[in-house]
Amino acid sequence: SQTIHQWPATLVQPVGSPLSLECTVEGTSNPNLYWYRQAAGRGLQLLFYSVGIGQISSEVPQNLSASRPQDRQFILSSKKLLLSDSGFYLCAWKAPSSYNSPLHFGNGTRLTVT
Amino acid sequence: AQSVTQPDIHITVSEGASLELRCNYSYGATPYLFWYVQSPGQGLQLLLKYFSGDTLVQGIKGFEAEFKRSQSSFNLRKPSVHWSDAAEYFCAVGASDTGRRALTFGSGTRLQVQP
Repeated sequence: SQTIHQWPATLVQPVGSPLSLECTVEGTSNPNLYWYRQAAGRGLQLLFYSVGIGQISSEVPQNLSASRPQDRQFILSSKKLLLSDSGFYLCAWKAPSSYNSPLHFGNGTRLTVT
Repeated sequence: AQSVTQPDIHITVSEGASLELRCNYSYGATPYLFWYVQSPGQGLQLLLKYFSGDTLVQGIKGFEAEFKRSQSSFNLRKPSVHWSDAAEYFCAVGASDTGRRALTFGSGTRLQVQP
C-alpha cells in the first residue's frame, strides 16, 4: 500500500533563516505531488505541484520554492523565512492516471517563524 | 476556475444528533467532489468522493453526501454524531479541464460535539 511521510512534524525557525521540508511517497510510481499551506482558521492554499521529476508549477508568488529531485521526493524550501511563512504545511500525492483520483495527505509540518 | 464555499465556519451539535455540513461549489462542467476530515494537528483523511452516477454517496465512519446539481451543492450528513466526530471538515472540488489536477478546498467547518 502507498504511504506518505512528511518531516519534521514541528519546526520553530527565526526570521531570515532557511527552510527545508521534505516529503516522500512509497508504494507508487510517478505520483503527482503537492504542497499546500493551511493558515489558522483558513482553508488550504495550493503552493506547488509537480507531475514529474524536475517539473514544478507554482500557484502563488511567494518566498518559497519547491523541488523534486527524485520521483517520490518533494521538497519545500526557503532561503530566508518571513513571519508570514508560519503555518501548517501539508504534502499530498495523487495517482497520475486520472483526474478524479483523490489526494492523499501526509500528517503535516507545523512551522512557526519567530 | 472552480471554487468551493462552506458557509458554516463553526457548528456545535449534541452527541447522537444528526449533522449536515453545507458545501457549495462553482464549476462549469461536472465536478469531482470530495469531503475530507482533519483532526487537530493532523493531515486530511478522505471521507468520501463523488464522480458520477448515484448522487448519494456513502463514505467511511457513517458519513454520506448528496450531490445536487441544481443547487451546486454537496452536503455532508451523518444521522447520529459521535464525540469522536469532532474535527474540521473540508469540502473540495476537482476539475477535469485544468492541467494542474489539484483540488480546490473550502475554508472548512469546525465541528464541536457536546456530550
